[in-house]
Amino acid sequence: AQTVTQSQPEMSVQEAETVTLSCTYDTSENNYYLFWYKQPPSRQMILVIRQEAYKQQNATENRFSVNFQKAAKSFSLKISDSQLGDTAMYFCAFSNYNDMRFGAGTRLTVKP
Amino acid sequence: DAGITQSPRHKVTETGTPVTLRCHQTENHRYMYWYRQDPGHGLRLIHYSYGVKDTDKGEVSDGYSVSRSKTEDFLLTLESATSSQTSVYFCAISETGTMNTEAFFGQGTRLTVV
Repeated sequence: AQTVTQSQPEMSVQEAETVTLSCTYDTSENNYYLFWYKQPPSRQMILVIRQEAYKQQNATENRFSVNFQKAAKSFSLKISDSQLGDTAMYFCAFSNYNDMRFGAGTRLTVKP
Repeated sequence: DAGITQSPRHKVTETGTPVTLRCHQTENHRYMYWYRQDPGHGLRLIHYSYGVKDTDKGEVSDGYSVSRSKTEDFLLTLESATSSQTSVYFCAISETGTMNTEAFFGQGTRLTVV
């Protein structure tokens, strides 16, 4: 079974600085997708960024980018120019067919 | 925002009683999912559906059943609620499965079993 590990339960960053959230996963599959979801205090799950395993190029979405290392099974999220609205729980997720597995989450606090 | 409505949003129930949570979508997406969220575990898949009357078990399906008689509705039933089922439950939908398309989530239902 696939597993997803987020080793940082909590992190904090100063406004306007850069922070990196770590995620590792374990799978024997070769074709899969990886996701980062954000969950603000409202509890709504919001997709931040998606990476296809067969693409070597790292995905980027505005201030959000990933460092995807397939051989190392690592998928970290970098948030540049952190904003107060980035304060949330961040979940890394692995998807293969209909089985989407989530990590335990990292609680990120952006400080003014 | 994707049209997903979960009901109820909050519920307190007693141990041993049956409970049904409802997920309603207006997007006509084929796939629907039920997850539970617990501290330290992230979200874990309970059951999913890939069409009307087509369902399958997820990672933590024991004690839960589901039904999907219409494309737009996916029901999750706790047959006899236990305190270990106290959790936040999320419904999600996706057009072609979570493999390559985004899953859209509902607002969640906070269930407390006393």
